[in-house]
Amino acid sequence: ETGVTQSPTHLIKTRGQQVTLRCSSQSGHNTVSWYQQALGQGPQFIFQYYREEENGRGNFPPRFSGLQFPNYSSELNVNALELDDSALYLCASSNQGVDYGYTFGSGTRLTVV
Amino acid sequence: DQQVKQNSPSLSVQEGRISILNCDYTNSMFDYFLWYKKYPAEGPTFLISISSIKDKNEDGRFTVFLNKSAKHLSLHIVPSQPGDSAVYFCAATSGGNKLVFGAGTILRVKS
Repeated sequence: ETGVTQSPTHLIKTRGQQVTLRCSSQSGHNTVSWYQQALGQGPQFIFQYYREEENGRGNFPPRFSGLQFPNYSSELNVNALELDDSALYLCASSNQGVDYGYTFGSGTRLTVV
Repeated sequence: DQQVKQNSPSLSVQEGRISILNCDYTNSMFDYFLWYKKYPAEGPTFLISISSIKDKNEDGRFTVFLNKSAKHLSLHIVPSQPGDSAVYFCAATSGGNKLVFGAGTILRVKS
């Protein structure tokens, strides 16, 4: 059973640029959620994807967008990067309707300069 | 609006003793609570959970207690081991759609 894998592990971008982060969900899981963890804080829910559609969204602006593919992998896209977007981005997969077991990846550390 | 709060940023405990981590919540719609452990450079790892219809759940050295009237839960680790040193996050959900996390508590177990 493979876990959740995220790429890249680290990334440095310039303010105003765009970034795409990727996530492969754990085998058998059909739902992917993305979280942002700023320094010294807990993870904050960005959005969730189920059956390739957005299934809930947190308090993040529209420049945060995502995709889920038929194999349940997912992308997080952030446009017009701001300095405050610097954070650890975590992907979590789960099995919607089965249980509340979320499996997290190791995250992508994004630094915006 | 912090719906889940972990008021202790850090906790230091001697090896072999009990570690008690606390968490308070405000949203009475939460129906499931989870504890995650996080090491540096790793993602959060699920530790133990409890449904709102229960008041206690035990798994080996880890026990979670839920007091719904006080909107409070706690994680007990007995006995504490140096390998337990990590950041512990309390999380809550309503219907499983998203997890709402606290800010975390850094646990240091001294040998």
